[in-house]
Amino acid sequence: QVQLVESGGGVVQPGRSLRLSCVASAFTFSSYAMYWVRQAPGKGLDWVAVIWFDGSNIYYADSVKGRFTISRDNSKNTLYLQMNSLRVEDTAVYYCARGVGATFKTPIEYWGQGALVTVSS
Amino acid sequence: QTVVTQEPSFSVSPGGTVTLTCGLSSGSVSTRYFPSWYQQTPGQAPRTLIYNTNTRSSGVPNRFSGFILGNKAALTITGAQAQDESLYYCVLNTDGGIWVFGGGTKLTVL
Repeated sequence: QVQLVESGGGVVQPGRSLRLSCVASAFTFSSYAMYWVRQAPGKGLDWVAVIWFDGSNIYYADSVKGRFTISRDNSKNTLYLQMNSLRVEDTAVYYCARGVGATFKTPIEYWGQGALVTVSS
Repeated sequence: QTVVTQEPSFSVSPGGTVTLTCGLSSGSVSTRYFPSWYQQTPGQAPRTLIYNTNTRSSGVPNRFSGFILGNKAALTITGAQAQDESLYYCVLNTDGGIWVFGGGTKLTVL
C-alpha cells in the first residue's frame, strides 16, 4: 500500500526558513512525479509545486516561486520542500502527493496525511 | 491568472444522482486539461476519486464517474449515500506543469 509520510512541520517566524520531508514507501519512488499541495486553515486546496520522476523538470505556483524549492533524493525515497522567506499567508497543512505517472501531465493519485506549518511572530 | 470554477455547494437526496462541474473562467475544459476529482472530509487528507477525466482511482466505487459535459469537466455520483457528504475538489492542468484547483463544492446529502 502506497505510503507517504511528511515531517518537518512546526511554528516558525515570518522571514525564516523550514524544510519539509516526505518519505515514500511501497512503490518505486524514482518512477513517479511528486507534488506538494497545501491547504490554509478553512480554505481549499492550493497546488504548490511538482517535480518529475528524475528531478529534471520542476514547476512552481507563482505564489511560492523564488522562495520555495522542491527536490527529491531517489536513493532515499524522499521528497523535500525547502521553504524560505516564509510569510504568514504560507500557514497551511502541506501535503506530499504522488502522481499517476512520471512527468508533468500526470494528476495526483496518492496523498500523505499532511504536515502543519504555522508562520507566526 | 487562470481560475477554475466549481459550484460552492450542492445538495442531493439519499439514493439520488448529482453532477458537479468544473469549469474555466475563460475557455472550455477538455481532456487535455487532465481534469481530476478529489474528495475531502473535515480533518482528513484528500482522497483521489477520478483522474484524467474518467479513470477511477483504486478502490473507488463505480457510482462515481467523470466525464466532459459541454465545456466543463463533470463528476456524477449515482445513488448518493450519507458518507458521500464531503467537499469535492477538481484540478486542471492549465499550462504545462502548472495545476490549478477549483474552490471546491460542499455536497450535502439530505
